Amino acid sequence: QKEVEQNSGPLSVPEGAIASLNCTYSDRGSQSFFWYRQYSGKSPELIMSIYSNGDKEDGRFTAQLNKASQYVSLLIRDSQPSDSATYLCAVMPQAAGNKLTFGGGTRVLVKP
Amino acid sequence: GAVVSQHPSRVICKSGTSVKIECRSLDFQATTMFWYRQFPKQSLMLMATSNEGSKATYEQGVEKDKFLINHASLTLSTLTVTSAHPEDSSFYICSAKTAGTSGSVDTQYFGPGTRLTVL
Repeated sequence: QKEVEQNSGPLSVPEGAIASLNCTYSDRGSQSFFWYRQYSGKSPELIMSIYSNGDKEDGRFTAQLNKASQYVSLLIRDSQPSDSATYLCAVMPQAAGNKLTFGGGTRVLVKP
Repeated sequence: GAVVSQHPSRVICKSGTSVKIECRSLDFQATTMFWYRQFPKQSLMLMATSNEGSKATYEQGVEKDKFLINHASLTLSTLTVTSAHPEDSSFYICSAKTAGTSGSVDTQYFGPGTRLTVL
């Protein structure tokens, strides 16, 4: 079982719709969770960090964390073609020494 | 936000030569930096953790004598690919970790990456 799992996609959404991305993790002691966006040929860019159960909103993005169920999700509202990218879920396991464990990424395609 | 730079952004070299890549945190001090490698259509692979003033910690399977890491200051880490070969061609990305303050968490910010092509 992978430590951090994501559906590879592609997740195809029409422009203006909500894109919903999910991520599950295996280390129950994990405390910090991150979503990064990576455009093709570019490096990852931080979108959100979350470490408390519940929702965290930043502009069109909402991260949701449920530690009991060991999942973290990202919602993208009013999706734009510029949101087309690969979204990486990253988890800092309890005994990782500050290292992040990344999921394989979900590719999102927003169609005009 | 925290800014991390990398230099060069792209390098092409002949087989057998060494290539040095610099990673700088521009507006914060980073006691810890990380080096990743990414092959086309694959996820990030952590190569090593670089700590200021001490030896780097390499991930299993990464040759420390081939990928030399030096973290000489709180804002600079370098990765040297020694005796590069075509199979070392990849996208090398560094990240720098901010120290979380009260109410926030330690966060990694990535540099723009260096695309290495070994002929």
